[in-house]
Amino acid sequence: AQKITQTQPGMFVQEKEAVTLDCTYDTSDPSYGLFWYKQPSSGEMIFLIYQGSYDQQNATEGRYSLNFQKARKSANLVISASQLGDSAMYFCAMSGLTGGGNKLTFGTGTQLKVEL
Amino acid sequence: NAGVTQTPKFRVLKTGQSMTLLCAQDMNHEYMYWYRQDPGMGLRLIHYSVGEGTTAKGEVPDGYNVSRLKKQNFLLGLESAAPSQTSVYFCASAANVRNSNQPQHFGDGTRLSIL
Repeated sequence: AQKITQTQPGMFVQEKEAVTLDCTYDTSDPSYGLFWYKQPSSGEMIFLIYQGSYDQQNATEGRYSLNFQKARKSANLVISASQLGDSAMYFCAMSGLTGGGNKLTFGTGTQLKVEL
Repeated sequence: NAGVTQTPKFRVLKTGQSMTLLCAQDMNHEYMYWYRQDPGMGLRLIHYSVGEGTTAKGEVPDGYNVSRLKKQNFLLGLESAAPSQTSVYFCASAANVRNSNQPQHFGDGTRLSIL
């Protein structure tokens, strides 16, 4: 079974500062993927970034980067130069190749508030 | 570019009524999923499909049925709605790429209330 843990229910950051959202995972699958999704107050789920378990380098997508530490089973999301529009709920999720279907297991999310 | 479209966006039902939630994707994706989102619990997988004509149970399948008669459509049915099924329902789809985890693309959700 796969498990995702997000221990920060809420986070505050000042505009233009960087923020790290924590995510730890547990799985017995030798090959897996880690994802971050953003859910603004309007409710849609927006894919942000992906890290494969065999990827040698940390994933980056614009202002988003994923700090992947395989031995520690962590996949933290780093948002650089925060903007007011980054205020949202952020979900960490993982999928594995075992069993087929690339099913996602989600964490409970972190509510990020960006302040002036 | 529609992506994943869910119908309806909102619905109120009485206990015991039945209804079907519709999901359509135009990305030719093999995989489709239904999740429910409840406060403080993240998203949980109800059922999923790895291809036309196939479905499988997820984490919380009880009380729901699904069908995938066409590749682009994935239907979620509630035969006898219960208040515990009050939730936001999300449909998602993903490409099937060998030995690769592909991101799932989500619809905008259906807010369902059971009175």
